[in-house]
Amino acid sequence: DQQVKQNSPSLSVQEGRISILNCDYTNSMFDYFLWYKKYPAEGPTFLISISSIKDKNEDGRFTVFLNKSAKHLSLHIVPSQPGDSAVYFCAASAGGGTSYGKLTFGQGTILTVHP
Amino acid sequence: GAGVSQTPSNKVTEKGKYVELRCDPISGHTALYWYRQSLGQGPEFLIYFQGTGAADDSGLPNDRFFAVRPEGSVSTLKIQRTERGDSAVYLCASSLIGGTGWSNTEAFFGQGTRLTVV
Repeated sequence: DQQVKQNSPSLSVQEGRISILNCDYTNSMFDYFLWYKKYPAEGPTFLISISSIKDKNEDGRFTVFLNKSAKHLSLHIVPSQPGDSAVYFCAASAGGGTSYGKLTFGQGTILTVHP
Repeated sequence: GAGVSQTPSNKVTEKGKYVELRCDPISGHTALYWYRQSLGQGPEFLIYFQGTGAADDSGLPNDRFFAVRPEGSVSTLKIQRTERGDSAVYLCASSLIGGTGWSNTEAFFGQGTRLTVV
């Protein structure tokens, strides 16, 4: 049962354009969402997060949008740069109690930004 | 150290052998997590420590897997009677847990240990 899904295995974008990575979830108990970036042979690196009380969070070139009714979130990167080429993971947490900080990850999307 | 450190970075073992994977979290981080990432998949939760105790071990696949964190810092993931299906990258992460603010929950990952069972 895949509770967090990233349906696009890969995305190719031209430098300077917008990259949009999508993520869907099924568990209505999730109340905190994160995006991680991963380069080969490295561990995932935290990028940006959003709690369920918000619908948008922005940090520089990165913006995450949350649509709770659709159980959908997206990561926008504007403008995209070649150094953004990596695997992007969407993750979710139900928070509270003993599950605090426990993350459920999607399968990842490989982003390639062409110069 | 500045980040989460995992050793060894690579481990090749024969089917049926016992292995130990070590994680040294960021200093002062009370929460520590183990994840497993198979090829083409996202990290999959195994176990979560708060201090010395395992707060949630619901992700451990079976009783061949065990993890300890005796002093609330370094953790060891132990796998008995390894099987070829155990081959994966084992990731460790730590986070600073304080109060109820979500900003304390961002988990910082190590580079992982690639385990290959032949």
